[in-house]
Parts: sequence; structure tokens; C-alpha cells
Amino acid sequence: KQEVTQIPAALSVPEGENLVLNCSFTDSAIYNLQWFRQDPGKGLTSLLLIQSSQREQTSGRLNASLDKSSGRSTLYIAASQPGDSATYLCAGTGGSQGNLIFGKGTKLSVKP
Amino acid sequence: NAGVTQTPKFRVLKTGQSMTLLCAQDMNHEYMYWYRQDPGMGLRLIHYSVGEGTTAKGEVPDGYNVSRLKKQNFLLGLESAAPSQTSVYFCASSYGRGAPSYEQYFGPGTRLTVT
Repeated sequence: KQEVTQIPAALSVPEGENLVLNCSFTDSAIYNLQWFRQDPGKGLTSLLLIQSSQREQTSGRLNASLDKSSGRSTLYIAASQPGDSATYLCAGTGGSQGNLIFGKGTKLSVKP
Repeated sequence: NAGVTQTPKFRVLKTGQSMTLLCAQDMNHEYMYWYRQDPGMGLRLIHYSVGEGTTAKGEVPDGYNVSRLKKQNFLLGLESAAPSQTSVYFCASSYGRGAPSYEQYFGPGTRLTVT
């Protein structure tokens, strides 16, 4: 059964710092990996999708990588800003139903 | 193009009451999903549908029923609400297994409290 783990559970950094969020999964048969952002009391906003044939995706200050052999994905945020404060979720398409298996998230706080 | 919408946004029920949550998507997606999000548990799959007229159980289906009579709509029903069903419910949709990607699009969520 696919399990997704995110470390750390919470992270606080000063504004301007570059940071890395980690996601690991137990089943290398994962198909796609998707990173989401969730603001308090809000829904999920898709940030990046890495398809099974890809190794990384970039969008603005965000870069996500996928290493299926080691069971890891990372989300790199460059030059962090207070507006980046949110919970970041990673999820893999590992279920036979095509559903996403979610990690529990990393709560990021960027201090001005 | 509204994407994925959910109705209602908030609801408070008493134990034993019933209700239906509505999810609608205007992207002509085949696959639709219902997840629940609980503190410390992450998001878990309740039920899903791979096309109009089909439904199937996910990881935590007990106490819920679903229907997909129209391709664009996916309904989640609670026949007899229990406090354990207090949660935030998210609907999602995707093109499906035959598509280039499985990218899922999420609705804004329904916050349900059962007292």
C-alpha cells in the first residue's frame, strides 16, 4: 500500500531564504506526483505536476523534482516571501483507482 | 469556466440527520473523487467514479453513499450523520486513466460539523 511522508511537519524561515520541502513514498510504482498549496480554511491549489516520465517541473520560484528509484520528491522554493506561508501537500497517484495518496503536509511560515 | 464547484460551503447537522453534498465540474472530466480531510490524518478517499453511472468505494466509504447520474455531477450523501463525520470534504476531478496526465483539480471544500 502506497504511503506518503512529508518532512518536516512544520518549518519557519526568514524572508528571502531558499528552502526545500521533502516528500517520500513507499511504492516506486507511483505514476504522477502533484504538489499542492493549502491556505488556512481554504481548498487545494495545484502548484506542480510531475508525470511519471519526467524528473522535474518548474513554475516561477518553484521547482519540484521526482526520483522514483529512491522514492523521493522535493519542492524547492527560491527567495521565500511571507506570502508563501501555507501548508504544502504532496500526493502521488498510486492507487489502482487513479486516486491521489496524500502526505500530511508541511506547514511553512515565512517571517518578514 | 468555473472548474470544480461544491455546494454547500458550510453545514451543521445534528446526529442522525441526512444531507447531500453536491460537486459539479465543467471540464468534461471522466473521473471524480470525494475526499475528506481531518487534522493529523491528511486527505483520504471516500468514493470515486470513473464515468457517468459508475461509483466505487475508496479507503473510508462507511456511512456515505454516492451517485453519478450526470457526467458533470457527483453527489455525496450522508444518510444518518455521526460526529465522526465532522470533517472538511473535498471533491476532485481528472481526465482519467487514458489521459496524458492524472492531474486532479479540487473544489473549495465543504466544512461539515455534526453535533
